[in-house]
Amino acid sequence: ETGVTQSPTHLIKTRGQQVTLRCSSQSGHNTVSWYQQALGQGPQFIFQYYREEENGRGNFPPRFSGLQFPNYSSELNVNALELDDSALYLCASSSGLAGGPVGELFFGEGSRLTVL
Amino acid sequence: GENVEQHPSTLSVQEGDSAVIKCTYSDSASNYFPWYKQELGKRPQLIIDIRSNVGEKKDQRIAVTLNKTAKHFSLHITETQPEDSAVYFCAAHATGGGNKLTFGTGTQLKVEL
Repeated sequence: ETGVTQSPTHLIKTRGQQVTLRCSSQSGHNTVSWYQQALGQGPQFIFQYYREEENGRGNFPPRFSGLQFPNYSSELNVNALELDDSALYLCASSSGLAGGPVGELFFGEGSRLTVL
Repeated sequence: GENVEQHPSTLSVQEGDSAVIKCTYSDSASNYFPWYKQELGKRPQLIIDIRSNVGEKKDQRIAVTLNKTAKHFSLHITETQPEDSAVYFCAAHATGGGNKLTFGTGTQLKVEL
């Protein structure tokens, strides 16, 4: 069974740039969630994708956007980067139906983004 | 929306002692409460979870209790070992929110020899 993998593991960008982070979900999982974890804080929900549709969004501006592909892998895109976007971005996959009982989230190792 | 508060922020115990971490939540519709352990530079990993139809759950040295009336839940670790040292996060999930979890701010547990 393949776990959740994310790329890149580390990256450095400057203010105003755009970034794309990628996630491959665990085998058999159809739901992908993205979380932002600032240093010393708990993860904060950005959004979730189920069967290629956004299925829930947290308090993040529209410059945070995403995609889910037919193979359930996912991308997180952030435009017009700001210094406060510096964080660990975690992808988590799970199985289940939209609106059904929540299942265990399996997290990837994360992508650490530094914005200078 | 849901708000989860967690305390203490840091906890230091002697090896073999017990550790207790407490969380409160605000949304009475929340029905799933997982606990994650995150070691430095690693991914969060689920260590135990509880659903709202159960008051207590135990897995070896780890137990979680839930008080729905008071809207709080706690993690109990007995016979702590150095490898238990990590940051622990509680989280809450409300119905209708997909798989959205609201996390606490974390507890840095240090088990000293």
